[in-house]
Amino acid sequence: EVQLVESGGGLVQPGGSLRLSCAASGFIFSDHYMDWVRQAPGEGLEWVGRIRNKAHSYTTEYAASVKGRFTISGDDSKNLLYLQMNNLKTEDTALYYCASPETHHWGQGTLVTVSS
Amino acid sequence: AIQMTQSPSSLSASVGDRVTITCRASQGIRNDLGWYQQKPGKAPKLLIYAASSLQNGVPSRFSGSGSGTDFTLTISSLQPEDFATYFCLQGNSYPLTFGQGTKVEIK
Repeated sequence: EVQLVESGGGLVQPGGSLRLSCAASGFIFSDHYMDWVRQAPGEGLEWVGRIRNKAHSYTTEYAASVKGRFTISGDDSKNLLYLQMNNLKTEDTALYYCASPETHHWGQGTLVTVSS
Repeated sequence: AIQMTQSPSSLSASVGDRVTITCRASQGIRNDLGWYQQKPGKAPKLLIYAASSLQNGVPSRFSGSGSGTDFTLTISSLQPEDFATYFCLQGNSYPLTFGQGTKVEIK
């Protein structure tokens, strides 16, 4: 059974940094693309970015709103996906989901609150 | 970026009604579109992929159609468990973009 479990969310001040993790199980992590998607409180869904699989050299894509501030990476040996978030802004406050677009599974999300 | 315009933003319907939600892309996206259902406090769940393919385990009352720029999600006979918010997602080009969502409420 595919499972995705996010962690690492919390309260951070504007300008601060945070690293989210997503633990994957039930599928061959290194074979799959992975996404981060976020949802601000009471709002719709926003795609944050993607990391391609090993066969595609782990290349990444980002939304314009986070490009240059957020970095997606992964550790195939641990089946872990990461989202490094730097220079956080209040508008980054959201529930962050990791998702596997090929297996169509999502985690339950981890909440990031950016506030002074 | 491709804009996805979803309509309506909300609708009220009764159990048994036929419901239609549309998404329009600002440029052609072939059939690279998915439909998601989200209930309060839960992660989105994929209903339809490749515009018209039903995801495993999803009831057959859900269907999708369209190609290019215009897409439709239809619920043929609304059930109590279908009251939720629905989103489309284009996967044709980066950045991926979602529609704004349609909240389906009980009439």
